[in-house]
Amino acid sequence: GAVVSQHPSWVICKSGTSVKIECRSLDFQATTMFWYRQFPKQSLMLMATSNEGSKATYEQGVEKDKFLINHASLTLSTLTVTSAHPEDSSFYICSARDPGLATETQYFGPGTRLLVL
Amino acid sequence: QQQVKQSPQSLIVQKGGISIINCAYENTAFDYFPWYQQFPGKGPALLIAIRPDVSEKKEGRFTISFNKSAKQFSLHIMDSQPGDSATYFCAALYNFNKFYFGSGTKLNVKP
Repeated sequence: GAVVSQHPSWVICKSGTSVKIECRSLDFQATTMFWYRQFPKQSLMLMATSNEGSKATYEQGVEKDKFLINHASLTLSTLTVTSAHPEDSSFYICSARDPGLATETQYFGPGTRLLVL
Repeated sequence: QQQVKQSPQSLIVQKGGISIINCAYENTAFDYFPWYQQFPGKGPALLIAIRPDVSEKKEGRFTISFNKSAKQFSLHIMDSQPGDSATYFCAALYNFNKFYFGSGTKLNVKP
């Protein structure tokens, strides 16, 4: 199956700093990518939908100024957690949709674990 | 509001047994129902999926049963193996775009 990578796989940062997480589709061009957050022992919650060349669509309750999403190319979307605080510590997972396949097919990345001290 | 309700929260099964995980939904506009398997520290991986016009789908040891009138679907893992120990999530797709995930079931298959 298609591969989606994330970088870094884990990151520790100090409170108040910004952290950038990259999501790449390795063997297909993803016009749409999705960002999820997963707290320990909980389900995945969709944060935003990232569309190449246009603004991201954020889910209700997600601060767009805090979680900046950029989808500048067909293979790369980035999530920047600005002024991170301990409550932002979580597992962040992206997924990408291959436009060449059925529209429901999404491939998930391996996730990025963020710990804010 | 939880769009997709999943049970049980955790499940212990002996090796060779059948693991059954259930999900229920309310929104009849959902049009695709996948199951994902997630190992600790990893992203979810698609296991098997079904569309609402089909009542059952089988792939190897994994079977989805779908009851459209009851708005329920379940995952059956036959001949469960210790390597199947993971967290399983059901999901429902809305408008070909947005996935709603169940709360997850942690499966432990005892050797």
